[in-house]
Amino acid sequence: DQQVKQNSPSLSVQEGRISILNCDYTNSMFDYFLWYKKYPAEGPTFLISISSIKDKNEDGRFTVFLNKSAKHLSLHIVPSQPGDSAVYFCAASVGSNFGNEKLTFGTGTRLTIIP
Amino acid sequence: ETGVTQSPTHLIKTRGQQVTLRCSSQSGHNTVSWYQQALGQGPQFIFQYYREEENGRGNFPPRFSGLQFPNYSSELNVNALELDDSALYLCASSPGANYGYTFGSGTRLTVV
Repeated sequence: DQQVKQNSPSLSVQEGRISILNCDYTNSMFDYFLWYKKYPAEGPTFLISISSIKDKNEDGRFTVFLNKSAKHLSLHIVPSQPGDSAVYFCAASVGSNFGNEKLTFGTGTRLTIIP
Repeated sequence: ETGVTQSPTHLIKTRGQQVTLRCSSQSGHNTVSWYQQALGQGPQFIFQYYREEENGRGNFPPRFSGLQFPNYSSELNVNALELDDSALYLCASSPGANYGYTFGSGTRLTVV
């Protein structure tokens, strides 16, 4: 039972354009959502998070949007840069604080930025 | 010391054997979690330790066990290895709530 789904295994975007990565979840108990970025041969690196009490969180070029009624979140990267090429994982947790959460991950989306 | 270090980076074992994977965290990182990432999948939560006590477990059988030590290192032990245990095993540690996790680069285990 895949509780966190990333339906696009891959995405290619021109440099300078907006990248939009999508994530859906089924467990309505999830109240904290995170995006991680992973380069080959490295562990996932935290990118940005959002609590269920918010519908948007911004950090520089990265913005996460949460639509609780649709159980959907998205990550926007603008403008996209070649260094953004990586696998992006959406993750969710229940009733946890940042740093002790037990994460449920999606299967990842491989983002390729075309120069 | 900074970062999370996992050893070994690669390992090949035979079905039925036992394996111990190691993780060395930063000083003060009282929380450590282990994840299994099969090929083409996202990481799956195995268990979490907080101050040397298990603090939550995912949907993994008892042959997956762990230890956390006072020096901020930890171990993942897997008994009676099966072919499906072949995966990347990730360790993630944190000093606690509101500080976030730091992941190691993982140990790639191949069971033949």
